[in-house]
Amino acid sequence: KNQVEQSPQSLIILEGKNCTLQCNYTVSPFSNLRWYKQDTGRGPVSLTIMTFSENTKSNGRYTATLDADTKQSSLHITASQLSDSASYICVVRAGSQGNLIFGKGTKLSVKP
Amino acid sequence: DVKVTQSSRYLVKRTGEKVFLECVQDMDHENMFWYRQDPGLGLRLIYFSYDVKMKEKGDIPEGYSVSREKKERFSLILESASTNQTSMYLCASSLGGRDHRGLRTEAFFGQGTRLTVV
Repeated sequence: KNQVEQSPQSLIILEGKNCTLQCNYTVSPFSNLRWYKQDTGRGPVSLTIMTFSENTKSNGRYTATLDADTKQSSLHITASQLSDSASYICVVRAGSQGNLIFGKGTKLSVKP
Repeated sequence: DVKVTQSSRYLVKRTGEKVFLECVQDMDHENMFWYRQDPGLGLRLIYFSYDVKMKEKGDIPEGYSVSREKKERFSLILESASTNQTSMYLCASSLGGRDHRGLRTEAFFGQGTRLTVV
């Protein structure tokens, strides 16, 4: 069964600190993996996309990594800001014509 | 800039009412999707459409129907709302169509409709 598991479920960090969110997936065949950011009460917005051949992708203070062998991805946030408080959702596409498989998200709270 | 617009941010409806949730996208996308999002469950696909008048069931279609009469508009219909349909509903669109969903196509989401059925 295609699944995407995210950890931790929730995380509280102080402003200015770094953090790393994890995503493990059992999706076959793998097409691509996206990280979305979802602010409270809003729709998700894409941060990065990674295909099978890509190991690292950056978007400002966000850096995503992908290890296709172990089927793991991480999202690293550098020098966190209060505006980073949101849910981060890992989404894997199953095959080039497949549906999106969503993780349940990690809720990040950045405190001053 | 891609824009996916849902007609309401918040809705309160009574049990048994027929409810229409509307979604419009302005980027000429072939694919449109309806998800619901509940705490601890993440996003679950209700229905999607890859072309006008075409629709396919997602993971949880029971109690819902959809309509796609025009390419830019995708409606979700709750025929007889029930309290277990209280949820956040998210519409999304992407390029592609049925046979070309694309390797890198991104799903763009609307702002969500929080529906409460009382």
